[in-house]
Formats: sequence, structure tokens, C-alpha cells
Amino acid sequence: AQKITQTQPGMFVQEKEAVTLDCTYDTSDQSYGLFWYKQPSSGEMIFLIYQGSYDEQNATEGRYSLNFQKARKSANLVISASQLGDSAMYFCAMREYGNQGGKLIFGQGTELSVKP
Amino acid sequence: NAGVTQTPKFQVLKTGQSMTLQCAQDMNHEYMSWYRQDPGMGLRLIHYSVGAGITDQGEVPNGYNVSRSTTEDFPLRLLSAAPSQTSVYFCASSYGDRLEEQYFGPGTRLTVT
Repeated sequence: AQKITQTQPGMFVQEKEAVTLDCTYDTSDQSYGLFWYKQPSSGEMIFLIYQGSYDEQNATEGRYSLNFQKARKSANLVISASQLGDSAMYFCAMREYGNQGGKLIFGQGTELSVKP
Repeated sequence: NAGVTQTPKFQVLKTGQSMTLQCAQDMNHEYMSWYRQDPGMGLRLIHYSVGAGITDQGEVPNGYNVSRSTTEDFPLRLLSAAPSQTSVYFCASSYGDRLEEQYFGPGTRLTVT
């Protein structure tokens, strides 16, 4: 079964508008973490934001916020005031803390294109 | 700090050849991992290490070997390259268990013909 599902292969957004990238996850662990990464066309992986399963508040980092809905098992990334430089692939990932070690499981990604 | 470095950046191998992808970090990180990224997909964990002398398998370990003799280095060995191993390989490191502070290397693009 897919542990991380990103249902939007591609998204378009107008510059300066907000956009939500969807991510749903599947785990039976009580303790887990959710991550979002950005991968521009240059190929490097850039960490954006992290949410722990016990965190009561939604994580925010600058223009990025994570809309964490535990009961629905969703961890959507919201980018406010989109910029042209936000055009990239975005990956959602999960770590189950019941497992030993640093195992991150990634979704298939969403390609975001920001239009001027 | 150089961060996480990977060599080579690009490599073409013939089926059956072996090679080692190098990964080094200068941040004294305990955790190091190898991932592969196939076209249109997210990263999949190959092997990881929680410290010198300790390694474990990830999701897709077959065809790869690792060792961790020092904190700084975590090489990935392809024993007998196959076309299915054509991929981009990323090395990553983090301080202890803090994957939210995981640093990725720039990647190695490997083609097996």
C-alpha cells in the first residue's frame, strides 16, 4: 500500500497567489513526522518544513505552512504569495518513529509551475 | 563547511561493471543515507547508517553494498551494474535523529547501458 500519496502530478498557480499541494499518508504508528522538500530543475533537494505527529500547531516557515489534519491523515503544503522561483517539484515524505533509523518514505511529487 | 559532497556528478557504466559512488560530509553527522530517484518519482531509501560501523537496509537495497568505516564517509558500491540501476543517487546526512535537518548532496546521475 502507498504510504504517501500525492494526487496532483502537476499544478499551475498565478504569481502572488496562494497554492495548496496535497499529501495524504498511511501509517499505524502514533509517532511519525511529515516533511516537505522542494526540488528545483537544478536537482538538489531542499528541506522546507516539518510537522511532528504530536505537534498541536500547524508548522510554518516563512511563506510555507503545513495544513496538518491528523484524523484525515493529510499534510498539505500551503505556499502563500507564490513567486516565479517556487516553480519546482515538491515532495511530501514521512518518517515512522516506530522504525529504527532514518527511513524517509517519499511521495511521487507534484510539479508546480508559477505563471507570471 | 563543504556540506555533503558526492562524486562523481555523472557516470556511464556498462552492464556488469562495478563502481563506487562516493559521499562525504564534514559536519560530524551521525546519520547518513543513500537514496535513488527514478524519473517522475520521489526518492527511495537504499541503505542508511546511524554511525560508524553500523549500516542497515532501506527499501531497495538489492544490488548495492555500503560500509561506514568513518563518520565522514559513506560510499555506495554497485556490485554488477544493471540498466535498472540507471537513476540519480542522492546521499544525505543529519545530526543524530533529526531528519528535519537532513542535508542532501547534489546527486550523482548514473546511466547503465
